[in-house]
Amino acid sequence: ILNVEQSPQSLHVQEGDSTNFTCSFPSSNFYALHWYRWETAKSPEALFVMTLNGDEKKKGRISATLNTKEGYSYLYIKGSQPEDSATYLCACQNSGNTPLVFGKGTRLSVIA
Amino acid sequence: GAGVSQTPSNKVTEKGKYVELRCDPISGHTALYWYRQSLGQGPEFLIYFQGTGAADDSGLPNDRFFAVRPEGSVSTLKIQRTERGDSAVYLCASSYPGQGLYFGPGTRLTVL
Repeated sequence: ILNVEQSPQSLHVQEGDSTNFTCSFPSSNFYALHWYRWETAKSPEALFVMTLNGDEKKKGRISATLNTKEGYSYLYIKGSQPEDSATYLCACQNSGNTPLVFGKGTRLSVIA
Repeated sequence: GAGVSQTPSNKVTEKGKYVELRCDPISGHTALYWYRQSLGQGPEFLIYFQGTGAADDSGLPNDRFFAVRPEGSVSTLKIQRTERGDSAVYLCASSYPGQGLYFGPGTRLTVL
């Protein structure tokens, strides 16, 4: 069974602070890793899909890295803003035909 | 273009009743997924369709849960003899195979 762990469970930061959180997954049989942002009362929104060891992706102030050999991905937010407040979900696949397995998420609150 | 839509947005029912939850995926997306999210947990996989057929239904918790996608587009998740433990947000997502998921807003099911 694919087990995806995220840490921390929740995080409170001040506006302007940079922050990062972790997703851990089994390094064997890895196919892809996805990051989603889920704001309250909205649909989860895809941020990144990453497949290759050493991948780095960036979208505005948010970036992510992937290490498939050791089984982790980091999500970074530079200069956090209140609108970044959301739950950040990580999900893994171990093949192209298998469903995503999600972690429990990291709940980020950015205080103005 | 229209995103994934789900109806109803909220459903309150009594223990033992039957409910149907509907998902309209993005037009042209061949893959459709059902997940459910309970408080404090990440989305939990239920079932995945590729076209009209269920490619993987290993996440359905028991035989009270059933889902169909008869024409390869709209899908209905059916829950018989609902129990209080079925209370959760039921999320539907669609995609092209191998790509990131586009989620709907979810149906919040409350079983009293």
